[in-house]
Amino acid sequence: AAGVIQSPRHLIKEKRETATLKCYPIPRHDTVYWYQQGPGQDPQFLISFYEKMQSDKGSIPDRFSAQQFSDYHSELNMSSLELGDSALYFCASSWGVGNTIYFGEGSWLTVV
Amino acid sequence: AQRVTQPEKLLSVFKGAPVELKCNYSYSGSPELFWYVQYSRQRLQLLLRHISRESIKGFTADLNKGETSFHLKKPFAQEEDSAMYYCALRSGSARQLTFGSGTQLTVLP
Repeated sequence: AAGVIQSPRHLIKEKRETATLKCYPIPRHDTVYWYQQGPGQDPQFLISFYEKMQSDKGSIPDRFSAQQFSDYHSELNMSSLELGDSALYFCASSWGVGNTIYFGEGSWLTVV
Repeated sequence: AQRVTQPEKLLSVFKGAPVELKCNYSYSGSPELFWYVQYSRQRLQLLLRHISRESIKGFTADLNKGETSFHLKKPFAQEEDSAMYYCALRSGSARQLTFGSGTQLTVLP
């Protein structure tokens, strides 16, 4: 069965650069969630979208923005990168709000 | 505000021994609780959800609203159970997950 696809899997950026992560949800899933997991940390909710509209916002820095496109894929844009942004970024999707959430394998971002 | 607490960051048991991973929550609404497992920094995989009351890979978890707990149990641990286990509470307008800090389970041979 198709799973949540994230790209790129690994990304290395320098401080103050910009990075974009992409997420392709499971087909027919209309809800996308973004989580950030720092080294040795639990996943922290950043932001979510339902039917291409932002549905909830967590601890997402102002330097970050995200959107969900007409084909339901989502992109997380991160600007003015800081060393502390180095983390594993998970995307997850579900069909509707309230159904099982499935996670992608994550995108490793390293800021040097 | 919702909160999930997993008091043990590390837990080691011997193969064949019973294992219990503790999870407590605080939430003013009707809780929806889950256990996710993460093997060697792979994707988070759903293990259990309380509303299904099922047993997956020999694991069970019962929601105790009086004690606000959702402990994960397995009577006989296996080496392949070694992983990071996260308890999670679903809440918010988007029904997103709030995770506990996780428990790293190591099953020793």
